[in-house]
Amino acid sequence: GEDVEQSLFLSVREGDSSVINCTYTDSSSTYLYWYKQEPGAGLQLLTYIFSNMDMKQDQRLTVLLNKKDKHLSLRIADTQTGDSAIYFCAESILGTALIFGKGTTLSVSS
Amino acid sequence: NAGVTQTPKFRILKIGQSMTLQCTQDMNHNYMYWYRQDPGMGLKLIYYSVGAGITDKGEVPNGYNVSRSTTEDFPLRLELAAPSQTSVYFCASTHRERNTEAFFGQGTRLTVV
Repeated sequence: GEDVEQSLFLSVREGDSSVINCTYTDSSSTYLYWYKQEPGAGLQLLTYIFSNMDMKQDQRLTVLLNKKDKHLSLRIADTQTGDSAIYFCAESILGTALIFGKGTTLSVSS
Repeated sequence: NAGVTQTPKFRILKIGQSMTLQCTQDMNHNYMYWYRQDPGMGLKLIYYSVGAGITDKGEVPNGYNVSRSTTEDFPLRLELAAPSQTSVYFCASTHRERNTEAFFGQGTRLTVV
């Protein structure tokens, strides 16, 4: 079965690192994604990782993938108030639609 | 490029009314999708299409219909609106071979009263 689980809320202080976690169930997933949704807006792709990779770094973002535990994380370094948003983890099997988690609301206080 | 364009942005329907949510993309993407997002929930797939003339049901298709007569357009039809269909609807598209990014429209906020 296909299921993606995330914690619902995370609160951090400006300048700290944020780590958002996700677990998925389908071991045949080929790509795993992190999307960001700001209030009243659509989803914006932040980053993605191919299933044969363990880590991907893109400026302040670091994605870690533990395929054995089916665990994906997104680390945001030096979190800013502009990072406050809902972050969605998603998985896809090649040729099918994305399966999304319920989203983690990140709140950044100054 | 405009990307994925959805219309309308907001709509209020009465129970039993019908409407069509429009979605068009100008990226020549083969795959198009309709999702609904309920408060505190992730996105649930309603219908998807892998190319013109081909559509298939997603996780929550009941109460909806779609068509894909062209590569660009993927309208979503609600025939008899119900309060349970109050939601935010997102259209998305991906390129067939490069399934690395889904491009999303800005969403349609629908309220059924």
